[in-house]
Amino acid sequence: DAKTTQPPSMDCAEGRAANLPCNHSTISGNEYVYWYRQIHSQGPQYIIHGLKNNETNEMASLIITEDRKSSTLILPHATLRDTAVYYCIVRAPFKGAQKLVFGQGTRLTINP
Amino acid sequence: AAGVIQSPRHLIKEKRETATLKCYPIPRHDTVYWYQQGPGQDPQFLISFYEKMQSDKGSIPDRFSAQQFSDYHSELNMSSLELGDSALYFCASSYPVGGRNEQYFGPGTRLTVT
Repeated sequence: DAKTTQPPSMDCAEGRAANLPCNHSTISGNEYVYWYRQIHSQGPQYIIHGLKNNETNEMASLIITEDRKSSTLILPHATLRDTAVYYCIVRAPFKGAQKLVFGQGTRLTINP
Repeated sequence: AAGVIQSPRHLIKEKRETATLKCYPIPRHDTVYWYQQGPGQDPQFLISFYEKMQSDKGSIPDRFSAQQFSDYHSELNMSSLELGDSALYFCASSYPVGGRNEQYFGPGTRLTVT
């Protein structure tokens, strides 16, 4: 699986959009970009994933560049409850169990 | 919607004792993963099961064993506990389909070894 690079920490004001970048310059053509987050001491939470096209769900939007070497997770109206560590993980499609490898992640702090 | 259930939520054991952690996946999910998260660390993969067969193994000590049962629930057995085993243990489940494999995590079991 491709290596990812994320900033170690970011701050965002409550109510504003939080844009979390992820670099995955060695991504292969069939690898998906997944985002998870972990609110303090809770189980990690799946947010969204994508392959080539931009994706949106009730939690967030995922913007993947045309060359697929980087992506941005967007929380459109951040709340205090969005304070968490956000992990960008690249994985190839796989039949069966495939472990998640959690890297450094970005510690996002939403400020009132 | 039903979530992953883990029990117990908190467990206190002494050194050299044994512990059993249980995980009940989301209904219809046939794949279970175990992760360990030490203080201030990222979650680390321990072991996974797909359709009741062990699928992959991470940095799981030989003192630990796990299995997945016919109803897809899983148990992580830990023997000869050491102080360093104190951690959060998360179980996750998934239903791999079409190359997608989102994992859904339980609330974790906090194990304290004294």
